Parts: sequence; C-alpha cells; structure tokens
Amino acid sequence: NAGVTQTPKFQVLKTGQSMTLQCAQDMNHEYMSWYRQDPGMGLRLIHYSVGAGITDQGEVPNGYNVSRSTTEDFPLRLLSAAPSQTSVYFCASSLTETYGYTFGSGTRLTVV
Amino acid sequence: AQKVTQAQTEISVVEKEDVTLDCVYETRDTTYYLFWYKQPPSGELVFLIRRNSFDEQNEISGRYSWNFQKSTSSFNFTITASQVVDSAVYFCALSEAFPNDYKLSFGAGTTVTVRA
Repeated sequence: NAGVTQTPKFQVLKTGQSMTLQCAQDMNHEYMSWYRQDPGMGLRLIHYSVGAGITDQGEVPNGYNVSRSTTEDFPLRLLSAAPSQTSVYFCASSLTETYGYTFGSGTRLTVV
Repeated sequence: AQKVTQAQTEISVVEKEDVTLDCVYETRDTTYYLFWYKQPPSGELVFLIRRNSFDEQNEISGRYSWNFQKSTSSFNFTITASQVVDSAVYFCALSEAFPNDYKLSFGAGTTVTVRA
C-alpha cells in the first residue's frame, strides 16, 4: 500500500513549456485534489475530483487542466508554464468528502 | 474571503513549554468539518485530527489536545511539553457543505520552532 504517489519530486521548466504532474493512489479513494503551496498562503485548491470522469475547479484553476479517467490516477497538466506557477504541488486523496485527506510527498516546480 | 485564519505566523518556544495554535474559521453552514495537519521540515503533510460541527467535545491525543468552540468559531490546538520533533508548520482547514461541496480550505499556517 503506497498511499499517494507523486512524480516527479522536482522539476524545472522554461516559460511556455508544458508538462504533466502525475498522481496515483492505491487506496481506492474516490476523492482526489490538487493543491499548490506558496509561502504565507497555505494550500490553495487547484482542481478537484469526486470520482472517475468527474472533475471540478478549485480556487486557482487557471493555467491547469485535469482529467480523471481511472479511480487511481489524477494527473495535473500545465498548459504553458509561467513563473507564477513556481510552487510546491500536492496531490491528495480521501475515502469520502469529509474524511481526512492523505497527501502525496509533493512536487517542487520551478519555472524560469 | 479567508475562511480559515491562523493569526500566528510563527511561534518559537523552548523545549517542554506548552504552545497553543489559534484557528478561527468562518462559515454559514451548519454542517462542516475542521482539520489540523502537520508539515514537518521534510515537507510531507500529516493528518492530525478531524472534528465535525456537531461534536464539540475537546480531544486529547498524547501531548496534543484540541479545543473546539462553536460560539467563537475557533478550533485551537495545544502541544503540551513541546519537543524538538514538534517543530513544523501546522495548518488548520475547513470543509463545508455549502457553498464549497466539502472542498478543503486551508489557513496560511503557523510555523512552530521548538528550541532545545
């Protein structure tokens, strides 16, 4: 039981490049979320999913896309990276919407 | 609008001192959940506690205790006899049914430094 696995752990992108942050969980959780963490701002929700085929926007969705084709995977796509997207990204999953979320170890992304 | 306010940005204490972290939340919903997470220097987020809005009982888990007061919309966290390993960023979070469909809203976090 690996929990929530995020890859890569570190990434440097040039402005305008695209990439996908991977997130997988093996706990059969329906609820999955992507957050970004910036100094002094806590964690802000980017996108959210309540099950395969269902996604919703969070607080800061601009510049990011998600899809949920399986229960296990919830990739986050950066369409055209900008320096403002330099952040630490966390994926999380939960059994139900009110259960405690389990977080991945994070991806530190730098856009230059 | 900030739904979860953690007014203390940083707290520094000497080992064995008690430390209390404040969390004030804002919601119009009657059904909601409150959480505390710990983020040690290694960076991972560790779930500490979940409390629903209908259960105002305080909770104690080892050196950790939580005080939930609906009258003041607060969910404060106390570490008793702090240890160096308690050094971390602590986040309070709110999950409400309306209008956020139980999405988690986090406070900005409080950095706790415990000095030996």
